Amino acid sequence: KQEVTQIPAALSVPEGENLVLNCSFTDSAIYNLQWFRQDPGKGLTSLLLIQSSQREQTSGRLNASLDKSSGRSTLYIAASQPGDSATYLCAVRRSSQDSNYQLIWGAGTKLIIKP
Amino acid sequence: EAGVTQSPTHLIKTRGQQATLRCSPISGHTSVYWYQQALGLGLQFLLWYDEGEERNRGNFPPRFSGRQFPNYSSELNVNALELEDSALYLCASSLGRFNYEQYFGPGTRLTVT
Repeated sequence: KQEVTQIPAALSVPEGENLVLNCSFTDSAIYNLQWFRQDPGKGLTSLLLIQSSQREQTSGRLNASLDKSSGRSTLYIAASQPGDSATYLCAVRRSSQDSNYQLIWGAGTKLIIKP
Repeated sequence: EAGVTQSPTHLIKTRGQQATLRCSPISGHTSVYWYQQALGLGLQFLLWYDEGEERNRGNFPPRFSGRQFPNYSSELNVNALELEDSALYLCASSLGRFNYEQYFGPGTRLTVT
């Protein structure tokens, strides 16, 4: 059974710092992995999607890496800003062999960027 | 292009009542997913509809049900509401069932008193 874990559960850093959020999964047979952002009481915004054949994806100040063999993904945020404060969720889509194509979610990391 | 929309934004019900939540997918999307996000918990998968059919459901009791209409919009019904049903209910849509990216709506905040 696939399980997704995000550590730490919460993180508070000063503005301008570079930071890394971690996501680990127990079954390496994934189709892709996706990072989302959720602002308080709001829906989810997709940040980056990494296919299982890819090692990383970049969008602006965000860089996500994927290491299937070790069951890990990291989300790197460069030059953090107060507007980056949100909860960051990672979700793994099971292998294409699974006809349900469901996302398995981590519990999220709550990020606070202090001005 | 309009994103996924959900209504109402907030819903307050009392225990034992029924709640109906609605979702309109992005134009051209045929799959709709429902998730529950209770306070302090991660997202829990509720239901998945594609082409009008229920394709999968999560580990929730039968009083959670829904349907998908011919225009691919969807409705989630929760009967015999319990206090622990209080949560943010998120709807997502995708182009189809084959591992397409899911796009999320803003959610409906259901409060059961």
